[in-house]
Amino acid sequence: EPEVTQTPSHQVTQMGQEVILRCVPISNHLYFYWYRQILGQKVEFLVSFYNNEISEKSEIFDDQFSVERPDGSNFTLKIRSTKLEDSAMYFCASSEDGGGGLTEAFFGQGTRLTVV
Amino acid sequence: QKEVEQDPGPLSVPEGAIVSLNCTYSNSAFQYFMWYRQYSRKGPELLMYTYSSGNKEDGRFTAQVDKSSKYISLFIRDSQPSDSATYLCAMSALLVGNTPLVFGKGTRLSVIA
Repeated sequence: EPEVTQTPSHQVTQMGQEVILRCVPISNHLYFYWYRQILGQKVEFLVSFYNNEISEKSEIFDDQFSVERPDGSNFTLKIRSTKLEDSAMYFCASSEDGGGGLTEAFFGQGTRLTVV
Repeated sequence: QKEVEQDPGPLSVPEGAIVSLNCTYSNSAFQYFMWYRQYSRKGPELLMYTYSSGNKEDGRFTAQVDKSSKYISLFIRDSQPSDSATYLCAMSALLVGNTPLVFGKGTRLSVIA
């Protein structure tokens, strides 16, 4: 069964360092997303990406964050200068182009980011 | 007022019990309502979705939406230990591909054999 794959599963970084979280979405999917979940809190939307550009982003997704699809398979989230409050589980998701119907978002298993 | 409220539990029930999980919301623009299941150390997995008000049944699972009360429910009949997970409600105003989902906090369910 196709799945969204995220690497690494756990990343520890020092405050102020740059991190790149990697995702391989399902191969025929066209929409890509990043969500995050701070421990004990809700899953929160960060950004959606379609046709090689950001289509929606939340208030959380400020100038410290960027996304990229560097090749035909990977989708990355970069945090330029990490802060303690960036510590969270980051989920990548992807979905097909459903043509207006339900497009189920398939989530990866997450990358736990710990900023120390 | 928070957009989506969900009792985090934890909820512990004996095997075979009927489980009721609920969310309330404040944004009347929400039209699509989803339930995700999340096992420990895994990403959320879509269980069911409904559009607007009404019921939807899938095996042991029934999703209910009452838009007039801004209240959604997930019922699990004949609960099994394998149903032990965190259940997240999620909703959105539209369902085109890039529409963000707004999640509840999740309810942790344990089904005891």
